[in-house]
Amino acid sequence: GAGVSQSPSNKVTEKGKDVELRCDPISGHTALYWYRQSLGQGLEFLIYFQGNSAPDKSGLPSDRFSAERTGGSVSTLTIQRTQQEDSAVYLCASSLGLARNNEQFFGPGTRLTVL
Amino acid sequence: KNEVEQSPQNLTAQEGEFITINCSYSVGISALHWLQQHPGGGIVSLFMLSSGKKKHGRLIATINIQEKHSSLHITASHPRDSAVYICAVLGGSQGNLIFGKGTKLSVKP
Repeated sequence: GAGVSQSPSNKVTEKGKDVELRCDPISGHTALYWYRQSLGQGLEFLIYFQGNSAPDKSGLPSDRFSAERTGGSVSTLTIQRTQQEDSAVYLCASSLGLARNNEQFFGPGTRLTVL
Repeated sequence: KNEVEQSPQNLTAQEGEFITINCSYSVGISALHWLQQHPGGGIVSLFMLSSGKKKHGRLIATINIQEKHSSLHITASHPRDSAVYICAVLGGSQGNLIFGKGTKLSVKP
């Protein structure tokens, strides 16, 4: 079946512009995660959605970052007034249920370059 | 000190060798993941475990909760195993995975 998909695969933007990154999780997966992998850095957690519960936003690096999940399915990560340090690969993952019990399936990522 | 430490950072092996990658963590966890990331970036989950040992083909993952340590073993390594292997721990019931910096494995033919 279809895996996690993300769009766009690549995004180049100018400093100060807003960007939206999209994630389509695997159908039926109630949990959705956003991560970031900066050049030369490890992966870092950004935000987690589980069902209808309030999202865990503890990993968002600043208030320029926000995410929403509509209808319990598709999620959009928005970065306002992008900065060069926002350049990274943004990864989305989904799982069948609670994070502690379920394997996560990763999307291919969106490579964001802020000029 | 990072909450998740992996060793070695880089590993070069000859085809056929037995490989071990280690992961130590300093926080209480509910689960530990081993992930594989190939050049080009795609990430695949290899194992999720909270106790004991799991085996999948030539890959074996073990975890010792008391010692806060996990190992990933690859038997009869092959050049296609070349990738970055990442250990990540789940600290609670939420989705906040804490990642190690990865071990870059290169298997030479």
